[in-house]
Amino acid sequence: DTAVSQTPKYLVTQMGNDKSIKCEQNLGHDTMYWYKQDSKKFLKIMFSYNNKELIINETVPNRFSPKSPDKAHLNLHINSLELGDSAVYFCASSQDFRALRQFFGPGTRLTVL
Amino acid sequence: TQLLEQSPQFLSIQEGENLTVYCNSSSVFSSLQWYRQEPGEGPVLLVTVVTGGEVKKLKRLTFQFGDARKDSSLHITAAQPGDTGLYLCAAGGGSNYQLIWGAGTKLIIKP
Repeated sequence: DTAVSQTPKYLVTQMGNDKSIKCEQNLGHDTMYWYKQDSKKFLKIMFSYNNKELIINETVPNRFSPKSPDKAHLNLHINSLELGDSAVYFCASSQDFRALRQFFGPGTRLTVL
Repeated sequence: TQLLEQSPQFLSIQEGENLTVYCNSSSVFSSLQWYRQEPGEGPVLLVTVVTGGEVKKLKRLTFQFGDARKDSSLHITAAQPGDTGLYLCAAGGGSNYQLIWGAGTKLIIKP
């Protein structure tokens, strides 16, 4: 069974479009994260939710809007996509917000043309 | 700003050789983790070290946390092609308990 799953795996879209990425974890964890990994492989935290409550909201354009319908799901909606949004987006979860170990999904490679 | 610097950024060696990669900072951290990321996948935790001077072994991989808890090293003995990947270090102690990530060392082991 996949612990942290993301859909889609690949997403190719035109500039200006709106798209969503979905994430689900079946580990029973309280905390979920969205990271962006750029072409230089640097992992940058974007958001974190603990029990459906936003606890980390880094400097990210407000075109990015996370949503957590329940603690097992954390989705990411991106409006008006730009070329610079092209990256791999990773969802992760941890037992709680103090836990050190994070479990990552397989990533969603977003390409904006 | 707390930063983690990893070196080298890229390393390509032959199977059977030994190597060491480093993760350094000017800040003191409560813990440090090493993750490995393979192409097309997310990072996977290898080890967590929490005590200054701590050494942990995972088969051919040896991890050390510096005495002052500012740096760490990962040593691989007799590297194998399966060790190929991106090695990321991450430190605990950021605001809101978030991890602080290094930029990674891309390791290629040639058969």
